[in-house]
Amino acid sequence: GQQLNQSPQSMFIQEGEDVSMNCTSSSIFNTWLWYKQEPGEGPVLLIALYKAGELTSNGRLTAQFGITRKDSFLNISASIPSDVGIYFCTGAQKLVFGQGTRLTINP
Amino acid sequence: KAGVTQTPRYLIKTRGQQVTLSCSPISGHRSVSWYQQTPGQGLQFLFEYFSETQRNKGNFPGRFSGRQFSNSRSEMNVSTLELGDSALYLCASSPGTADQPQHFGDGTRLSIL
Repeated sequence: GQQLNQSPQSMFIQEGEDVSMNCTSSSIFNTWLWYKQEPGEGPVLLIALYKAGELTSNGRLTAQFGITRKDSFLNISASIPSDVGIYFCTGAQKLVFGQGTRLTINP
Repeated sequence: KAGVTQTPRYLIKTRGQQVTLSCSPISGHRSVSWYQQTPGQGLQFLFEYFSETQRNKGNFPGRFSGRQFSNSRSEMNVSTLELGDSALYLCASSPGTADQPQHFGDGTRLSIL
């Protein structure tokens, strides 16, 4: 079945650093979605990507749809304490999610 | 615009009991999906309902079932509860047409004693 590998599983960084995470799929996706989940809450949609090669920004967040259509990347620039949480990737069919990247920031 | 609402937020049950969880989607959304989230397994897809019909189903035993009403509200039922069913159950809604992102509720935390 479809598999999504998300890495890294966790990151411990200093406030102000840039962050990069990625997802790789075993099959081709037509859409990539990135979500963030904070403790006690459901995942919140950050960025949606619809076209291979597409680069989309949302404030300090930038995501890219890989040209092979089997991967996607999420970057966070100049991290701040409120960026703490778990970041998930998924495709449009939403049947499979990446394992999540847990981001911890040292002030 | 109101978001996805899940009730109750917390629930404690004992083994062998059954439980029903409720989800009210965003107004106008016709698709509702359910997920189980545990620390070890991450987000696991349970099923999706669209216009009162199950459209997709994950790899969970028949003890897990759901339904959707004509107003798009959905319920999920788990019978004969097991300790391993302790999890956060998340509901997500979307308009239902291809490639439209879904939006999540804050979940129901189910604890089995």
